[in-house]
Amino acid sequence: DAMVIQNPRYQVTQFGKPVTLSCSQTLNHNVMYWYQQKSSQAPKLLFHYYDKDFNNEADTPDNFQSRRPNTSFCFLDIRSPGLGDAAMYLCATSRDRAEQYFGPGTRLTVT
Amino acid sequence: AQSVAQPEDQVNVAEGNPLTVKCTYSVSGNPYLFWYVQYPNRGLQFLLKYITGDNLVKGSYGFEAEFNKSQTSFHLKKPSALVSDSALYFCAVRDPSLTRGYNKLIFGAGTRLAVHP
Repeated sequence: DAMVIQNPRYQVTQFGKPVTLSCSQTLNHNVMYWYQQKSSQAPKLLFHYYDKDFNNEADTPDNFQSRRPNTSFCFLDIRSPGLGDAAMYLCATSRDRAEQYFGPGTRLTVT
Repeated sequence: AQSVAQPEDQVNVAEGNPLTVKCTYSVSGNPYLFWYVQYPNRGLQFLLKYITGDNLVKGSYGFEAEFNKSQTSFHLKKPSALVSDSALYFCAVRDPSLTRGYNKLIFGAGTRLAVHP
C-alpha cells in the first residue's frame, strides 16, 4: 500500500544534542510537510517542500531545519533541542493542494 | 481571519447511538473542508473532504459530513457509533489565501470522541 513512513517512531535525545527525524513516502506526492504537535493540540505547520522549493512558516524557530534529497525522502533536523521541543512530529504529503496524508509520527523526548 | 471552530472539547456517546462532532468555519470564498481522525500515538488519518457538489459527503469507516453553507458548518456524523471510533477528531479548512502550490490547513482545536460500551 502507498504510504507515508516515519522513522524512528520514538526518539530520545539529550538537551542540546542534534537529532534528525526521517520521513519517506511511496505516494509520489510533490509536496511534503513537517508538523509539530503537542499534547493533543492541533498540529502546527513548521515548513513544507513544494517539489524542491523549501518554504518556512514565519514563526518556525531557526533551530528547526529540513532537507529533501529526493521526491521520496524528507528529513527534519533539530540543531539544539530544548525541553520545549519535546513533541510528536508529523510528516505529511499531498499532491499540490489536494488532501494531505500523514505518517504515524515520531514522538521526541528531550532529557 | 480564516478560522475553524470545534465547539466541543469532548463528545460522549453510547455504542450504537448516532454521533455528531461539530465544526464551523470562517473563510473567504468557497471553503475546502476536511475531517481527520487521530488515534493515540498515531498520525492523522484522512476521513473525508468537501470541495464542491453534494452537501452530504461520505467518507471512510462509515463517517459522513454535512456541509451547510448558510450556517457555515461541516458537522461529522455517523449513524451508529463503535467503541473503536473513540479518538481525536480534527476539522480543517484549506487556507483560501493561497491560490497555488500547497495545501495549507487551518485546523480546529480538535474534539475527543469517547464511545462507551
